[in-house]
Amino acid sequence: SAVISQKPSRDICQRGTSLTIQCQVDSQVTMMFWYRQQPGQSLTLIATANQGSEATYESGFVIDKFPISRPNLTFSTLTVSNMSPEDSSIYLCSVGTTETQYFGPGTRLLVL
Amino acid sequence: KQEVTQIPAALSVPEGENLVLNCSFTDSAIYNLQWFRQDPGKGLTSLLLIQSSQREQTSGRLNASLDKSSGRSTLYIAASQPGDSATYLCAVGETSGSRLTFGEGTQLTVNP
Repeated sequence: SAVISQKPSRDICQRGTSLTIQCQVDSQVTMMFWYRQQPGQSLTLIATANQGSEATYESGFVIDKFPISRPNLTFSTLTVSNMSPEDSSIYLCSVGTTETQYFGPGTRLLVL
Repeated sequence: KQEVTQIPAALSVPEGENLVLNCSFTDSAIYNLQWFRQDPGKGLTSLLLIQSSQREQTSGRLNASLDKSSGRSTLYIAASQPGDSATYLCAVGETSGSRLTFGEGTQLTVNP
């Protein structure tokens, strides 16, 4: 199994600012992902965080808005840049193993 | 592009009832299918994982079935309890450890 922690657990931010979310895994994993869950909706994949190379973004998400770092096999960060109220969501980190996928507790972001 | 649909969107039942949640997906070329539980304000908890070669998985009062050819899965909850109240998410994976495509979820309320 994999245990995932995220920081911060929640935050309230002003529009136009940026927030960096950290994801730490207790074991080395190859596949790491960032998802967004907007209020009342299901999860949407933002990007796959690749170790040692640029992240792979899904349609509708761009690096300038959601820069991602993956310096090693246990850690990743997601930055939400130039925030607007529409960015208010839960942001979840997950890791994929051959057995299943594990999810972090999420970061609740409210943008005013 | 894979699309996952869950029916019903919401369900309210009295305690003790047996119930079925439905999930359908458009592309049958899946690697696995997972059912997750999400409690308000919390992350995701994996309930059951079915590999594409399997027909069903059971855990306690939960039973999930998979009919890959027809693109359907069901989650059966026996003798429902108020503690089962949560949102249940269905997600399909394309390859081992890969990204997941989620359905919109079924919000279940079990009334005492």
